[in-house]
Amino acid sequence: GAVVSQHPSWVICKSGTSVKIECRSLDFQATTMFWYRQFPKQSLMLMATSNEGSKATYEQGVEKDKFLINHASLTLSTLTVTSAHPEDSSFYICSARDRGRPKETQYFGPGTRLLVL
Amino acid sequence: GENVEQHPSTLSVQEGDSAVIKCTYSDSASNYFPWYKQELGKGPQLIIDIRSNVGEKKDQRIAVTLNKTAKHFSLHITETQPEDSAVYFCAASASTAGNKLTFGGGTRVLVKP
Repeated sequence: GAVVSQHPSWVICKSGTSVKIECRSLDFQATTMFWYRQFPKQSLMLMATSNEGSKATYEQGVEKDKFLINHASLTLSTLTVTSAHPEDSSFYICSARDRGRPKETQYFGPGTRLLVL
Repeated sequence: GENVEQHPSTLSVQEGDSAVIKCTYSDSASNYFPWYKQELGKGPQLIIDIRSNVGEKKDQRIAVTLNKTAKHFSLHITETQPEDSAVYFCAASASTAGNKLTFGGGTRVLVKP
């Protein structure tokens, strides 16, 4: 149980275009989802916290107009990287909190590798 | 905010030996300490976690210890196998801070056959 999927698993785009990444909880309802970014050989850095039906909360230094987050249902959150640039190339990982389990526990998706040319 | 330090950054062990990874945290309000294993190109996988009301937890070859006074916690892997080779991350969160995870820098573990 507690499976999180992401789509796509990898994406290549041209500089200036927008890319949407989906995060789904497959077998549970997720009232809260988190988006992380991980650069090569580095740790995970929290970008934003997404609560179903409300606006996302962004960490300091993360541009909310560039990284648009929508959490429209209890099983789906999306991250849109707008006007992507090469420096946005990274591994984007989402996690979800199962409303039926202890709220400290986060289940992670497999990640989406973004390459901006 | 919370700061989590993790050591060592790399660890090479012989198959069958034990591996120990240590983390320290700064926020005394932190009360949840998970450990994740990340294989190349994949998302982190929760392998064990411990809450602040417990000093030690074990799951087969994996154990975690927590010292709240000293604000450090450790991961112990016994009888290591080649498939244990991966990057391991510790993390900490506080219920008073929305249960947001702060990760350590990671430890790259290589188990040599």
